[in-house]
Amino acid sequence: SQKIEQNSEALNIQEGKTATLTCNYTNYSPAYLQWYRQDPGRGPVFLLLIRENEKEKRKERLKVTFDTTLKQSLFHITASQPADSATYLCALVPYSGSARQLTFGSGTQLTVLP
Amino acid sequence: DTAVSQTPKYLVTQMGNDKSIKCEQNLGHDTMYWYKQDSKKFLKIMFSYNNKELIINETVPNRFSPKSPDKAHLNLHINSLELGDSAVYFCASSPGTTNTGELFFGEGSRLTVL
Repeated sequence: SQKIEQNSEALNIQEGKTATLTCNYTNYSPAYLQWYRQDPGRGPVFLLLIRENEKEKRKERLKVTFDTTLKQSLFHITASQPADSATYLCALVPYSGSARQLTFGSGTQLTVLP
Repeated sequence: DTAVSQTPKYLVTQMGNDKSIKCEQNLGHDTMYWYKQDSKKFLKIMFSYNNKELIINETVPNRFSPKSPDKAHLNLHINSLELGDSAVYFCASSPGTTNTGELFFGEGSRLTVL
């Protein structure tokens, strides 16, 4: 069956370090992989999208990689700050699908300690 | 201006009651969705409408009935509420002309069934 797994429910790191979050998938052929941020009591907010034929995408302190051989995406936040503390969700759009078939992982709760 | 707005933000009700959650988007998007987020933060799609037409109806009890009076609105009506319906319900929208799938979420409606 299709499955999306994100590493550990919670991740604590020290301010200034790089946070690395993992998204693994099985039995999918994703065309796109997205990352969202969700703060407590708020809706998810889109951060980055990476396509199947892209290896890496960057946006300010954020970097996403996509390895279709390993069936894995890594999400990095460099020079992390307490304000980066939130839950981060990965989501897949299958190759033949669209936003209408977006499927989410359960998220990783990141806490950046001052 | 709020892009995707849902009301009410909190809803506490007794088992067996009927309730509605309203959603409006002012982004001009063609596609709207309802997602359910359970206590483990797992976001699961329930329904999707494209230009007022139902295009996704996941395995959801028929006590849940979406209604889209126009492409800017997608309401969710729930009959005979059960304890297991307690969750946060998110409305979202996406442009209909792209399949990269970036979603714009509302702030969520937390439903508590007693």
